[in-house]
Amino acid sequence: EVQLVESGGGLVQPGRSLKLSCLASGFTFSNYGMNWIRQAPGKGLEWVASISSSSSYIYYADTVKGRFTISRDNAKNTLYLQMTSLRSEDTALYYCARQTYTFDYWGQGVMVTVSS
Amino acid sequence: EIVLTQSPTTMAASPGEKVTLTCLASSSVNYMYWYQQKSSASPKLLIYYTSSLASGVPDRFSGSGSGTSYSLTISSMEAEDAAIYYCLQLTSTPYTFGAGTKLELK
Repeated sequence: EVQLVESGGGLVQPGRSLKLSCLASGFTFSNYGMNWIRQAPGKGLEWVASISSSSSYIYYADTVKGRFTISRDNAKNTLYLQMTSLRSEDTALYYCARQTYTFDYWGQGVMVTVSS
Repeated sequence: EIVLTQSPTTMAASPGEKVTLTCLASSSVNYMYWYQQKSSASPKLLIYYTSSLASGVPDRFSGSGSGTSYSLTISSMEAEDAAIYYCLQLTSTPYTFGAGTKLELK
């Protein structure tokens, strides 16, 4: 069974940093591209970042480019999102999602709240 | 950036009613993908490659379209279909979602 479990969220002050993790199981993690997608409270879905299976290709939304870094450790079956210079508008539920022809499996999400 | 515009924003349908949701893209896309999200759950894949039904999805759901115009149809509304529906394009980065259509049970 495919499982994606996010962790690392919490309350953080504006301007500070936070690192999210997504532990994958039930499939060969190193064969798949992975993504982070977020959802602000009461709002729609926003794609954040994408990384290919071997980390050769990485893409970001303009809203996070230069502040967020997506990475992965295939030996640990783990996806990461390093978030710096956090802003109030980054407050959201952050999902990791596996990418095949689309985002076919999603985690349950981890909440990040940016507030003083 | 390809902007996806979903309509209507909100609608209500009676049990057994046919429902059609639309998604218009600002530029041509290769395929459209549709997701269903209920309350606080993670989004669930319904349709991929514009018209292919994801595993386990009831066949009352169908997708169609091409170019810049796509639609998701529910042939006969059921209570469990009340949810928010999102379209997604993966033709080019940034990948973009529509703002969603909230479908309620009448």
